[in-house]
Amino acid sequence: SQQGEEDPQALSIQEGENATMNCSYKTSINNLQWYRQNSGRGLVHLILIRSNEREKHSGRLRVTLDTSKKSSSLLITASRAADTASYFCATSTGGTSYGKLTFGQGTILTVHP
Amino acid sequence: NAGVTQTPKFQVLKTGQSMTLQCAQDMNHEYMSWYRQDPGMGLRLIHYSVGAGITDQGEVPNGYNVSRSTTEDFPLRLLSAAPSQTSVYFCASSPPGGARTEAFFGQGTRLTVV
Repeated sequence: SQQGEEDPQALSIQEGENATMNCSYKTSINNLQWYRQNSGRGLVHLILIRSNEREKHSGRLRVTLDTSKKSSSLLITASRAADTASYFCATSTGGTSYGKLTFGQGTILTVHP
Repeated sequence: NAGVTQTPKFQVLKTGQSMTLQCAQDMNHEYMSWYRQDPGMGLRLIHYSVGAGITDQGEVPNGYNVSRSTTEDFPLRLLSAAPSQTSVYFCASSPPGGARTEAFFGQGTRLTVV
């Protein structure tokens, strides 16, 4: 079964607007990561937030993590047409030194010029 | 800066045929993994390796074999292809810390089994 569930499944906005995507998960995690996938391409790592962190920023990206609610959100501010892509959350779990990465189903973001 | 290289990019197989999907990375990463991506399912882990000679099963290992003879290469073998294996396959590698760190993905292999 999927560890991460993302919401919404699809999001359509205008350029300049903010985009918020949410991710919920079921078990305790080492960290949570967000990836981006352009159509037909491989995934690209965006940001990693550890289980003891609550918020992290990277450029126009802001990620929050609420371990009590087992949820995370990705905010993209001032979106651009080039941000059009699928966005996936991935949870790192497991007690080993290398863990295991489990992906959600993704949110398809469309930014209209 | 090749990163993770997958070959081939596209492949059509007949049911029952076997083939090997190639994956190579030039970042000296110990941790490598294979995922399949199906519509609406996200990525699911097939097999992973934490170093040369060490492999383990992921969430959906049936019908696939892996081996890891070198740090650089992590091939995925389909033993007897089935239509249910039609999917896009991604190979990834990670620096020390494995899945506790960021993963670097290849561009994928789109496989169709007819």
